[in-house]
Amino acid sequence: KQEVTQIPAALSVPEGENLVLNCSFTDSAIYNLQWFRQDPGKGLTSLLLIQSSQREQTSGRLNASLDKSSGRSTLYIAASQPGDSATYLCAVPSGYSTLTFGKGTMLLVSP
Amino acid sequence: GAVVSQHPSRVICKSGTSVKIECRSLDFQATTMFWYRQFPKQSLMLMATSNEGSKATYEQGVEKDKFLINHASLTLSTLTVTSAHPEDSSFYICSARVIRDSVDNEQFFGPGTRLTVL
Repeated sequence: KQEVTQIPAALSVPEGENLVLNCSFTDSAIYNLQWFRQDPGKGLTSLLLIQSSQREQTSGRLNASLDKSSGRSTLYIAASQPGDSATYLCAVPSGYSTLTFGKGTMLLVSP
Repeated sequence: GAVVSQHPSRVICKSGTSVKIECRSLDFQATTMFWYRQFPKQSLMLMATSNEGSKATYEQGVEKDKFLINHASLTLSTLTVTSAHPEDSSFYICSARVIRDSVDNEQFFGPGTRLTVL
């Protein structure tokens, strides 16, 4: 059974810092990995999808890397802003269509 | 990106009543939709997979007679919580699976429905 772990569970940083969120998964036989953002009381916004054949994906200040062999992914946020404050979730496919989620990293960026 | 909507966004009901939540894909057709439940400070837990025109597949421990799922069209799936009880209070989120550019299994999520059962 796939298990997804995210570290740290919570992170508080001052504005402008570069930061790294970590995600690990137990079953490396995945064909993609997805990072999401969730604001309090809201649904999920897809940030980045990395295919298993890719090593990283970039979108603006976000960069996600994937190392299947070690079962790890990182989400790098450059020059963090207060608007980045949210919970960040990573998810990997389990079976054909379903996703297994980590518990998330709650990020707070203070002005 | 693909847009998924949910209605209502928030509902408060009395114990014993039934509540219907709608999930719509607005700008694409979704053969498969998923229903998740999220308790406070917990991650999303898959409840069921809904396929258009067929019966839903429920995860272990989810009562199919309590959580009725209907996926009558390629753009609409509904979740009905029957005879709701306070322990059913949760945040319910749906998602729809998109296949495009040979990319499989990318899911787009609705904004969620906050259910409170008194």
